[in-house]
Amino acid sequence: DAGVIQSPRHEVTEMGQEVTLRCKPISGHNSLFWYRQTMMRGLELLIYFNNNVPIDDSGMPEDRFSAKMPNASFSTLKIQPSEPRDSAVYFCASRAGLAGYNEQFFGPGTRLTVL
Amino acid sequence: GNSVTQMEGPVTLSEEAFLTINCTYTATGYPSLFWYVQYPGEGLQLLLKATKADDKGSNKGFEATYRKETTSFHLEKGSVQVSDSAVYFCALSEDSGYALNFGKGTSLLVTP
Repeated sequence: DAGVIQSPRHEVTEMGQEVTLRCKPISGHNSLFWYRQTMMRGLELLIYFNNNVPIDDSGMPEDRFSAKMPNASFSTLKIQPSEPRDSAVYFCASRAGLAGYNEQFFGPGTRLTVL
Repeated sequence: GNSVTQMEGPVTLSEEAFLTINCTYTATGYPSLFWYVQYPGEGLQLLLKATKADDKGSNKGFEATYRKETTSFHLEKGSVQVSDSAVYFCALSEDSGYALNFGKGTSLLVTP
């Protein structure tokens, strides 16, 4: 299995531009998570999907952030408009099943820099 | 609410030294506990886990025991290697929950 795939791996953009991050979860996994990692705040859960349905988006910072999961094999996280404070590493993770004790598998992350 | 507190790093050790990274948690129910490791430039990967009190998780020479009485899940390794240099995250998840609550991570640097 290829694991969780994220693209792009690095993104540099200017303030005000739209940014779209992409994630392909492991086949057969029905839970998908988006996290953001910064030095100041550590790892933060942004949003969680189960069977393609958003379950909890309380971690999404503000309306500039949106996430979709149109099917079981693809999810996007969009920032519009982007701001310098959005600079971070964004991770996607997937998990088989609903149980909290099941392992989450993380992608390699997308390093976003907003100038 | 649920939370995880880890000792702050960075931790610097010589090769073959003994490692302990402290982790304590607060939870309303009976969580599962995890240690994830992040090597430079990579995503997190599961190192070990324990799903109930007194369980011991182990992997690659690392161990951690789920201590309900002290709400702790300390990570230990008897003899660290340079290749163990990474950031270690303690995390919890409620059995009926859905997400991981992470600690802030502890950076470990092992020198030859």
